[in-house]
Amino acid sequence: RKEVEQDPGPFNVPEGATVAFNCTYSNSASQSFFWYRQDCRKEPKLLMSVYSSGNEDGRFTAQLNRASQYISLLIRDSKLSDSATYLCVVNYGAGNNRKLIWGLGTSLAVNP
Amino acid sequence: EPEVTQTPSHQVTQMGQEVILRCVPISNHLYFYWYRQILGQKVEFLVSFYNNEISEKSEIFDDQFSVERPDGSNFTLKIRSTKLEDSAMYFCASSEWVGGRSYEQYFGPGTRLTVT
Repeated sequence: RKEVEQDPGPFNVPEGATVAFNCTYSNSASQSFFWYRQDCRKEPKLLMSVYSSGNEDGRFTAQLNRASQYISLLIRDSKLSDSATYLCVVNYGAGNNRKLIWGLGTSLAVNP
Repeated sequence: EPEVTQTPSHQVTQMGQEVILRCVPISNHLYFYWYRQILGQKVEFLVSFYNNEISEKSEIFDDQFSVERPDGSNFTLKIRSTKLEDSAMYFCASSEWVGGRSYEQYFGPGTRLTVT
């Protein structure tokens, strides 16, 4: 099983749609979870950390299910500017261990 | 808003040559990282650095690679003898020292390395 696994997509949705991405991770010792977004040939940018209780930031909602080793990202009211690759990222961090393990990413295209 | 910067943005080198990629992390951050991304592939961890020493490194980070913090602001990645397969985008990242946010890493714009 891959360390971090995502459906690569692409997801093609119309503006205003709600879209959900899922991600599974293999190491139950994982401690920290993130969603990054990456535009073509650009650096990854932190979208949000994912907390055990779930968290929301505007149109974005992240959920974590430790029992199933599963993370999700929900985007409501999609905008054209949301078109990007969304990367699920996991850290086994404890102490000075901050190595991030990356999924391959899910490609989203929001169409007018 | 503070940001990580990297130079050069694009480096072309011949196989067997040494290259040094430079990064200036966010000023109050104390953890530094190098990642690489081969075109069309996922981001891969290379090395993390804290308190003037390597904290962790991946199997990719072999003896051809080294990192240094030569002064109070720069963080460098050196590849001693480049190979064709070293061609990739190299990202530098940094994170805060303590607390929950210390696991959030902020990335520079990357250096595209092309080995011919």
